[in-house]
Amino acid sequence: DAKTTQPTSMDCAEGRAANLPCNHSTISGNEYVYWYRQIHSQGPQYIIHGLKNNETNEMASLIITEDRKSSTLILPHATLRDTAVYYCIVRVEGETSGSRLTFGEGTQLTVNP
Amino acid sequence: DTGVSQDPRHKITKRGQNVTFRCDPISEHNRLYWYRQTLGQGPEFLTYFQNEAQLEKSRLLSDRFSAERPKGSFSTLEIQRTEQGDSAMYLCASSLKIPGQETQYFGPGTRLLVL
Repeated sequence: DAKTTQPTSMDCAEGRAANLPCNHSTISGNEYVYWYRQIHSQGPQYIIHGLKNNETNEMASLIITEDRKSSTLILPHATLRDTAVYYCIVRVEGETSGSRLTFGEGTQLTVNP
Repeated sequence: DTGVSQDPRHKITKRGQNVTFRCDPISEHNRLYWYRQTLGQGPEFLTYFQNEAQLEKSRLLSDRFSAERPKGSFSTLEIQRTEQGDSAMYLCASSLKIPGQETQYFGPGTRLLVL
């Protein structure tokens, strides 16, 4: 799986959009970009994923650059409950190799009142 | 609630004791994963099952660790002769193998403390 690079920490004001970047310059054509978040002492929570196109769901939007070497997770109106560690993960879906998730250190997003 | 559940949520044990954790996946999910997370780090893959077959094990899974998934439903993770280094959060995730849509959903984890 391709390696990802994320900022260690970010701050955001409550009610504003939070834009979390991720670099995955070695991504290959069949690798998906997944985003999870982990609120302190809880299990990781799935947010969104994509391959080439931008994606949006009720939680967030995922913008993937045309060359697929980077992406941005957008939380449109951040709330205090969005404070968490956000993980950007790139992975291939395999048969016998499974689809293990390789977590990096993620970005600690702190939403301030 | 139909999410992934894990039991117990917390476990304190003495070094050398055996412990067993249980994971109940989302109904009809055919893949089940175990991860371990130590303080300040992201989760690390341990092993995964497709139905009842254990298809991959990480090098992190020493011979003191064993995992089972009888009948392809719930799974157990046993640690024998626990060591202080086993103290961690043990996370279970399940997914349905659909190409391009295999999303893993995690349980709340079991936090293990070995004294």
